[in-house]
Formats: sequence, C-alpha cells, structure tokens
Amino acid sequence: DAGVTQSPTHLIKTRGQQVTLRCSPKSGHDTVSWYQQALGQGPQFIFQYYEEEERQRGNFPDRFSGHQFPNYSSELNVNALLLGDSALYLCASSPGASNYGYTFGSGTRLTVV
Amino acid sequence: QKEVEQDPGPLSVPEGAIVSLNCTYSNSAFQYFMWYRQYSRKGPELLMYTYSSGNKEDGRFTAQVDKSSKYISLFIRDSQPSDSATYLCAMTRGSGAGSYQLTFGKGTKLSVIP
Repeated sequence: DAGVTQSPTHLIKTRGQQVTLRCSPKSGHDTVSWYQQALGQGPQFIFQYYEEEERQRGNFPDRFSGHQFPNYSSELNVNALLLGDSALYLCASSPGASNYGYTFGSGTRLTVV
Repeated sequence: QKEVEQDPGPLSVPEGAIVSLNCTYSNSAFQYFMWYRQYSRKGPELLMYTYSSGNKEDGRFTAQVDKSSKYISLFIRDSQPSDSATYLCAMTRGSGAGSYQLTFGKGTKLSVIP
C-alpha cells in the first residue's frame, strides 16, 4: 500500500525563482494538506485542499499557492523565493473530514541560495 | 506566547528507561491531541491520538491529556535504541475555523543509548 509520495526529494533554487512541489496522497485519501518545517522547528500549516478547493489556509503569504487535481494529487507553488523559504515541505493526506488521520510523506527539501 | 510549547531537548536516556515527553498549550479550543515520531530525513509518523482528556495505551506507549491543566504527555516504557527520533506533539480543534490544521510543538529529540 503506497503511502504519501512527494517529488522531488531535494531541490536547490535561486532567490526570486519559482518552484512547484508535487504530492500524491495515500490510496483512499481525498484531502491534502501542506506543511513547512524549518530546521529544528515543528511543521507549520500552509493550507489544505479538499474537493479541488482550498478549504483552509495558515499564516502564509500569497506567494504560496496550491492546486488539487481530480485524482486528489496536489501541487504547492511558491513564487519569488526568499532565503527564508528554505525548509522541508511536507504533504499530508487524510480521508475526508478526519481531524487526526493524517499520513505524511517524507517531504521535499528546498534550499534557496 | 506560542500556542504549543515543547522542550526541544535533546534528551538522552539509557536503553530500558522510561521516557516522559510533554507539551503545554494555551488554546482551550484544542480537542484532538496527537504524538508523532519523526526519524531523520523522514516525515512525521502518527504514534498516538487522544480525543479530549484521558489516557490511552498502545504497547509501550501511553498518551495522557489533562485539559484542565492544558498539558499532554507521552510515556515510553522499556525504551529501545530504535525509539531514537524527534517526537512532535500536535493538536487541533474539534470543529469550526481552524479545525483542519494541526498545530505542532517544536519537537523533542530523543536518543536511547544501548
């Protein structure tokens, strides 16, 4: 049973560039959330997608945007990259309205230079 | 004041010891409480979840929630070197605005020495 799959695993970008990260949810899950985890910190909620709509958003600027496709996979886009965007980006999937049944992927390590 | 406070450690214990990890929180709206384990270069893995106050046991792991004190704990009995990881507490509201986002602590790095 494949869990949550994220690609790429590592990425190096230059300040000002744009990046797209991808996530395939666990089989049977229809909801995808994105989190940013800076070094030595806990993950911080970016947003959640359900039924191809952004259902909830955390305290992140509009440079962070996302999309969910009909097959429930999702993309996270970050524009105008800053050095402070360097972090591990985690995707978590869950079934429907679950408050706790989140399965996380291994993340994409983004380095902005 | 952050919504969830967790001592980042590091915490180092001998194999076989009982480990106590804990978090405090400030938002009384939190209803679901979780503990995640994160190995290096991996995503968090759900260990335990508890709804509202009370205790829950699963093998060597026991989770406790005291909503009156806004304090949650995870106990690990007979700790093993394979338990060496970062432990993250997380919580979420039961319903309404913000109910779908997990709010995490900073994580406590645990090392179990053989």
